[in-house]
Amino acid sequence: DTGVSQDPRHKITKRGQNVTFRCDPISEHNRLYWYRQTLGQGPEFLTYFQNEAQLEKSRLLSDRFSAERPKGSFSTLEIQRTEQGDSAMYLCASTQGYEQYFGPGTRLTVT
Amino acid sequence: GESVGLHLPTLSVQEGDNSIINCAYSNSASDYFIWYKQESGKGPQFIIDIRSNMDKRQGQRVTVLLNKTVKHLSLQIAATQPGDSAVYFCAERDSGAGSYQLTFGKGTKLSVIP
Repeated sequence: DTGVSQDPRHKITKRGQNVTFRCDPISEHNRLYWYRQTLGQGPEFLTYFQNEAQLEKSRLLSDRFSAERPKGSFSTLEIQRTEQGDSAMYLCASTQGYEQYFGPGTRLTVT
Repeated sequence: GESVGLHLPTLSVQEGDNSIINCAYSNSASDYFIWYKQESGKGPQFIIDIRSNMDKRQGQRVTVLLNKTVKHLSLQIAATQPGDSAVYFCAERDSGAGSYQLTFGKGTKLSVIP
């Protein structure tokens, strides 16, 4: 257990529905990252927060994706109008320096 | 574009033997590297890291070697155990990029034969 938690661990949804995932980082970590991982691939960067400010977004993050970290603590990632191509593991990581600590991920399946 | 890749997608080793997992990177600006272990259904777990001003770093049963000349990274696991079976990823970071995001390769699956 790294100290980073994610909820839910699994989510099955129908195409077109909205989903929201939550990440609780290690409490003293000011930087929080979201990554997406598809089967057989390494994680790919989606977006990054320093405290409550979202400072960078990958081109992978389409307009249907939005992320927030309202108080600089937990973060949410919402996907609107889900598509089958959104099926993946969504990973959250936090850091105070160099090493990024990952949560267990949320496995999304879009049917 | 620049990326991190792995030479071998799968590796099978006998329990007790040493394992070597290799990784090539192409971003010459990368200055920090991490090896992660990922078991099925879990998030990546930190194993060991190395900064670009070093060429070797040792942990418990693991050693990371960095060769900047040929942009090569390796992870050595001594006395491999069944619990070491997992997918291993190397990741790089370019501190000049601002976000300190990690760029991962595809991974190598390590299978330990009892």
